[in-house]
Amino acid sequence: KAGVTQTPRYLIKTRGQQVTLSCSPISGHRSVSWYQQTPGQGLQFLFEYFSETQRNKGNFPGRFSGRQFSNSRSEMNVSTLELGDSALYLCASSLGQGSEAFFGQGTRLTVV
Amino acid sequence: AQSVTQLDSQVPVFEEAPVELRCNYSSSVSVYLFWYVQYPNQGLQLLLKYLSGSTLVKGINGFEAEFNKSQTSFHLRKPSVHISDTAEYFCAGTTSNTGKLIFGQGTTLQVKP
Repeated sequence: KAGVTQTPRYLIKTRGQQVTLSCSPISGHRSVSWYQQTPGQGLQFLFEYFSETQRNKGNFPGRFSGRQFSNSRSEMNVSTLELGDSALYLCASSLGQGSEAFFGQGTRLTVV
Repeated sequence: AQSVTQLDSQVPVFEEAPVELRCNYSSSVSVYLFWYVQYPNQGLQLLLKYLSGSTLVKGINGFEAEFNKSQTSFHLRKPSVHISDTAEYFCAGTTSNTGKLIFGQGTTLQVKP
């Protein structure tokens, strides 16, 4: 059974640009969550999607957005990139509430 | 507010010694608790989970944790560590009505030869 797949693994962008990250969940998982990991702030929740609907949202500015497709694949978008957006972005999938989350390898975003 | 607190940022230990990584949670995140491990440049791997039932939970790689409701703790233990256990460990919790995980700040386990 394939795990959670995130693409790309590494990304370098310039301030002001926008970026789209992709996540393919484990087959059969309908919940996809996104997290930002930085040395200073640790792991912070961005948002969760379930059956194409955003179910939860963390405390991030509107520049961070996401969506989920009918096949449960998810994308997150960051517009007008800032240096502080440099981080490891992790995607997790699960069967739903109350079940464990499985994480992808992450996308390392560097903003220069 | 929901919170998970890992009491030690770094834990150095010699190989084959026992180790305990401490985690406390607020009552609002107490429903489901997890421990994850992260190796350098990797994602998070689930070590073990507490959903309900027995308070002593056994996980992979010889790790176990005990859910203690009265002390709001979920400490991770291993009786004998190996060099390969060197990694970052995260305690996390969630409630039944959300898929959002609340993470602790992480504990770096450094196993020395």
